[in-house]
Amino acid sequence: AQTVTQSQPEMSVQEAETVTLSCTYDTSESDYYLFWYKQPPSRQMILVIRQEAYKQQNATENRFSVNFQKAAKSFSLKISDSQLGDAAMYFCAYRSAAGKLIFGQGTELSVKP
Amino acid sequence: GAGVSQSPSNKVTEKGKDVELRCDPISGHTALYWYRQSLGQGLEFLIYFQGNSAPDKSGLPSDRFSAERTGGSVSTLTIQRTQQEDSAVYLCASSAGLAGGDTQYFGPGTRLTVL
Repeated sequence: AQTVTQSQPEMSVQEAETVTLSCTYDTSESDYYLFWYKQPPSRQMILVIRQEAYKQQNATENRFSVNFQKAAKSFSLKISDSQLGDAAMYFCAYRSAAGKLIFGQGTELSVKP
Repeated sequence: GAGVSQSPSNKVTEKGKDVELRCDPISGHTALYWYRQSLGQGLEFLIYFQGNSAPDKSGLPSDRFSAERTGGSVSTLTIQRTQQEDSAVYLCASSAGLAGGDTQYFGPGTRLTVL
C-alpha cells in the first residue's frame, strides 16, 4: 500500500522569505501523480501544484515550485516570497491510477509579518 | 455551479441517529470522491464513483456508512446509527474523470458532530 509522510507538523516563515515543506512517499508503482493542497481555516482544500511522475521537469506555479526526486521518493514544496495569505495547512497527496488520493499528515504553515 | 458544493455546512446529531450528507459536484465531472478528515486519523478516503462503474467502497469504515450517486451527479453519504467517533469533517471532491491524474476539486466540507 502507498503511504505519504510529512515530517514537519509545523513550519514558520517570515513574510517575503522562502520556505520548503517536505514530503516523502512510498510506492511500488511507476506511474502516479503527486499533489500539494492548501487548506486555510475555511476548510476549503485548494490545489497548489501537481506533478506527473513520468515528467522529470519540476512543476512550477508562480511562487510555488516542487523538487521532485523520483528515486528518493521525495516531493518537497518551495514557497518563494511568502505572503500572509499563504498561512494554512498544507497537505501532500499521492494519486495512483486507482483514483483515490492518499494524504500526508499535513504541515501547518504560519507566516510572520 | 462554479465549484463543488456540500450541505449542510455543519450538522450536530445525537448518538444513534442517522444522518445524510449531500454533495453537488462540478457540472460535467464524472468522478466523485468522499473523504473524511478527523483529528486522530487525518484525511481518509471513503468511497469513489466513476461514471457508471461500480463504486470503490474500499475506504468505508463500517457497514453503517453508505453512499449513492443519482443520475451521475449529486451524491449522498449516509451514516446510520451515528457514533461519537464519526465526528469529523466530511469532504467531497469531483474530477473530470480523465484517464490518469486528473485533478480533484474539493467542496467546503460538512462538519459532523455526534453528541
